[in-house]
Amino acid sequence: AQTVTQSQPEMSVQEAETVTLSCTYDTSESDYYLFWYKQPPSRQMILVIRQEAYKQQNATENRFSVNFQKAAKSFSLKISDSQLGDAAMYFCAYRSANTGGFKTIFGAGTRLFVKA
Amino acid sequence: DTGVSQNPRHKITKRGQNVTFRCDPISEHNRLYWYRQTLGQGPEFLTYFQNEAQLEKSRLLSDRFSAERPKGSFSTLEIQRTEQGDSAMYLCASSFLQGLYGYTFGSGTRLTVV
Repeated sequence: AQTVTQSQPEMSVQEAETVTLSCTYDTSESDYYLFWYKQPPSRQMILVIRQEAYKQQNATENRFSVNFQKAAKSFSLKISDSQLGDAAMYFCAYRSANTGGFKTIFGAGTRLFVKA
Repeated sequence: DTGVSQNPRHKITKRGQNVTFRCDPISEHNRLYWYRQTLGQGPEFLTYFQNEAQLEKSRLLSDRFSAERPKGSFSTLEIQRTEQGDSAMYLCASSFLQGLYGYTFGSGTRLTVV
């Protein structure tokens, strides 16, 4: 069974600085998708960024980028020029590319604090 | 389309009572998922629908839990004989293409069993 581990329960960053959130996962599959979701306080979870495992190139969405290391089964999220609105819970998630699969597995989350 | 809508937002119930939650997914999405999230944890999968067919249920979904999606539109999640351990946020999500491009989540229903 696949697992997703986020080893940092909390992180803190100064406004305008850069922060990296860590995620590791365990799978025996070679083809899968990885996601980072953001859950602001009392608000719905939204998709931040998506990575396809068969693509070598790291995904980027504006100030958000990932460092995908397939061999190490590592998928970290880098937030550049942090803003107060980035404060939230961040969840790393895994989804098999197997067409029979349908379940996305989430890590326990990292709470990000942004200091003004 | 206003996204995924969940009602109610909050529900407080006494132990032993039945509760029902509703989820209205994005109309173009034929996949619908229910997850449960307890404090400080990530969402845990409960069940999945493709159109009106419930294709998988987690072992977390005891026989007190039932979900339906009549006509492949909205979905309901019912918990019978609620227990304090059922207190959690119940999240609904919908997706296009089996979730390969991610989910769109609703705001959730927070259940408190007293």
